[in-house]
Amino acid sequence: QKEVEQNSGPLSVPEGAIASLNCTYSDRGSQSFFWYRQYSGKSPELIMSIYSNGDKEDGRFTAQLNKASQYVSLLIRDSQPSDSATYLCAVSPNTGNQFYFGTGTSLTVIP
Amino acid sequence: EPEVTQTPSHQVTQMGQEVILRCVPISNHLYFYWYRQILGQKVEFLVSFYNNEISEKSEIFDDQFSVERPDGSNFTLKIRSTKLEDSAMYFCASMVARSNEKLFFGSGTQLSVL
Repeated sequence: QKEVEQNSGPLSVPEGAIASLNCTYSDRGSQSFFWYRQYSGKSPELIMSIYSNGDKEDGRFTAQLNKASQYVSLLIRDSQPSDSATYLCAVSPNTGNQFYFGTGTSLTVIP
Repeated sequence: EPEVTQTPSHQVTQMGQEVILRCVPISNHLYFYWYRQILGQKVEFLVSFYNNEISEKSEIFDDQFSVERPDGSNFTLKIRSTKLEDSAMYFCASMVARSNEKLFFGSGTQLSVL
């Protein structure tokens, strides 16, 4: 069973702060890692992808990957109230076409 | 911007009835998926479809489920005899290629089985 684990939260941060979201995965052969944002009642929306160890930055978002520790994280700098959502970690294994999702971390940014 | 379209947005059915959920993936995409999300739970993989056949399916996708791409644009999920536990949000998703693993989700169909 390929598992993706996330702290369900809720995580609350004040506006302007850094939000840190974490994810671990069980399949050591996983190759691709994604962060999706899901607003309540809406579909997941891809915000970041990362494939190699280290950091990847896109605007206010930074994804960090450590394959040795089977750990991927998402940092949101200068958090805004519009960032309030559930953040889903997703992992794609080396074989097959599917993506495994974590249960998501609920983030609330307090104005 | 191209998007994945799902209909209906809500479907209410009686237990034991058949339902068909419809999806129009993004036109140049080659990989198609159905996922479901029970309220408050994780997004769960059901099935992937490529080159007009199922490429992978989960344990959830039993004999009561089937998928079709009848006309080259629509992608449907059929549940033959719905159960109460089938109540969930069903998401269709598509991806242009395996090398470009950006999965685009439709807005979902909320299925309620009474």
